[in-house]
Amino acid sequence: AQSVAQPEDQVNVAEGNPLTVKCTYSVSGNPYLFWYVQYPNRGLQFLLKYITGDNLVKGSYGFEAEFNKSQTSFHLKKPSALVSDSALYFCAVPSRMDSSYKLIFGSGTRLLVRP
Amino acid sequence: GAGVSQSPSNKVTEKGKDVELRCDPISGHTALYWYRQRLGQGLEFLIYFQGNSAPDKSGLPSDRFSAERTGESVSTLTIQRTQQEDSAVYLCASSLRGLAGGVYEQYFGPGTRLTVT
Repeated sequence: AQSVAQPEDQVNVAEGNPLTVKCTYSVSGNPYLFWYVQYPNRGLQFLLKYITGDNLVKGSYGFEAEFNKSQTSFHLKKPSALVSDSALYFCAVPSRMDSSYKLIFGSGTRLLVRP
Repeated sequence: GAGVSQSPSNKVTEKGKDVELRCDPISGHTALYWYRQRLGQGLEFLIYFQGNSAPDKSGLPSDRFSAERTGESVSTLTIQRTQQEDSAVYLCASSLRGLAGGVYEQYFGPGTRLTVT
């Protein structure tokens, strides 16, 4: 079964420092991987996805993610964190059933960027 | 353009009552999904629509839960005889189409926060 794991419940960084939010995956076949962000009292927003090609994927708000097949990881990164990046981050993998798919989400990682 | 909208944004209901939650997907999106997010937890898949048919209902937790979709437009999630464990945020998402036509990201609405007292 397809699954993703986010090993950290919370990540704390200082504004201006680089940030990493970790995600590992377990899939059969070629993985499709997504990152979403959830700001307080708002729905999820798509950040980026990996389908194929370059291992470094660039997304919204200056975020990027590195696909690492040997480590089965898809960590989310940003070179310089902003206080406004504080939110809940989810990685996800689609689970295909016939011609449909549903997203299987990780448990989420809360990012707290302190001024 | 307009995103996915959901109504109501908040719903408080008494145990045993029925509730209807509404989702308006992005125009032109043929695929529509419902998820549930319990407090402090990740998202659970409930049901998927392609057009107005629902090929995947595997996530519906019980027969008290049902959903309909009108064409490629509005969807309604109905919970009958609500229980306290139904309290959660119910999120709707839409995408251009499902996996068969490509891997398209899902766009989420703001959710409906359901509280069953």
